[in-house]
Amino acid sequence: GENVEQHPSTLSVQEGDSAVIKCTYSDSASNYFPWYKQELGKRPQLIIDIRSNVGEKKDQRIAVTLNKTAKHFSLHITETQPEDSAVYFCAASIRDTNAGKSTFGDGTTLTVKP
Amino acid sequence: DVKVTQSSRYLVKRTGEKVFLECVQDMDHENMFWYRQDPGLGLRLIYFSYDVKMKEKGDIPEGYSVSREKKERFSLILESASTNQTSMYLCASSLRGTSNEKLFFGSGTQLSVL
Repeated sequence: GENVEQHPSTLSVQEGDSAVIKCTYSDSASNYFPWYKQELGKRPQLIIDIRSNVGEKKDQRIAVTLNKTAKHFSLHITETQPEDSAVYFCAASIRDTNAGKSTFGDGTTLTVKP
Repeated sequence: DVKVTQSSRYLVKRTGEKVFLECVQDMDHENMFWYRQDPGLGLRLIYFSYDVKMKEKGDIPEGYSVSREKKERFSLILESASTNQTSMYLCASSLRGTSNEKLFFGSGTQLSVL
């Protein structure tokens, strides 16, 4: 089955700096890569996703890049703010199956210091 | 907005008890999932269902079963609760289809087995 590794497990940055979280996956058939943000005590919510037919996607201060050859994808947050502090999860799935079964990374706890 | 509702936010049970965790979604989603979240281990898939009365094992199904008698409701059952099943349980749903893989999560049930 799919295996997703996520690094680092914890990340601390100063407000205004950039943060990068990296994930690798094992199944070359995976073609959908979402990122979820989970604030303390709240449910995970999708913040950005990328499909395997594109290499990069951006949404304001958040961007995701995908390298299919190397089987890794990364989340980039620029100009970090204290409200970016949360646990971030990457995931990988195969979109043409009946159920969108996602395999998650172990999560990265991001702390943005004011 | 999609709403995924889990019946209990906190639950305390004794070892050996049969435990039912209920999840209801109101957006006619075909796919429903049960994940377990433990610190440092990310989200691990227990069971999922892509249709009424259909169920598939996830990565850690041992000690659990599920029931999906109606499209909107997906129940997780701990046949005989054990202390190592103390965890946060997250239900999620998604639309079937290649363009709709986004997972919508419930608020979670923190289960303590004593």
